[in-house]
Amino acid sequence: AQKVTQAQTEISVVEKEDVTLDCVYETRDTTYYLFWYKQPPSGELVFLIRRNSFDEQNEISGRYSWNFQKSTSSFNFTITASQVVDSAVYFCALRMDSSYKLIFGSGTRLLVRP
Amino acid sequence: GAVVSQHPSWVICKSGTSVKIECRSLDFQATTMFWYRQFPKQSLMLMATSNEGSKATYEQGVEKDKFLINHASLTLSTLTVTSAHPEDSSFYICSAQVLTQAGSFILRETQYFGPGTRLLVL
Repeated sequence: AQKVTQAQTEISVVEKEDVTLDCVYETRDTTYYLFWYKQPPSGELVFLIRRNSFDEQNEISGRYSWNFQKSTSSFNFTITASQVVDSAVYFCALRMDSSYKLIFGSGTRLLVRP
Repeated sequence: GAVVSQHPSWVICKSGTSVKIECRSLDFQATTMFWYRQFPKQSLMLMATSNEGSKATYEQGVEKDKFLINHASLTLSTLTVTSAHPEDSSFYICSAQVLTQAGSFILRETQYFGPGTRLLVL
């Protein structure tokens, strides 16, 4: 069975702190795709990153970085020097190569306080 | 590019009425669109896959007679919640799929999400 677990329900940090959002996934497929989305209070999903299962290179984009570890089935997301505008719910998602269905984790609500 | 709109953005209706939600791909064509439902403080759950010109495919546990999906063109899919009840109150989000192909070989699949529709049934 395929599953995405985001164990952190809510995280609260003070502005400028670094924060890491955890994502653990389960799948028996060898080819799959992992995603992170941001959902601000407005509700619209904002795509952040997509990663293929055969590409374990870590990714950095500005203050955002992602650590993909197949050995531990994890795809963690770090925000460096957090800002109030980073406050949102962040979803990790999984898609198998055999299906277009996106399986979302339960989300982590991040609150960045000034 | 790749903008998806939803209309209305929010709707309040009385119990027993039907509500139609539109999902449009504004600058591209989408053979396939997806409908998700998100209850407050919960995750997104796929309800159904909408295919242009054919019947929608519903996920297990989703009543197809209650959630009618029509994908009449390559840029429009509609979700109609029939005889809505308070438990149907939720945030409904659609996504439109774009396939990058080389001949019959699919190179990449991307889903672009709409802004969502908040439904409140009184």
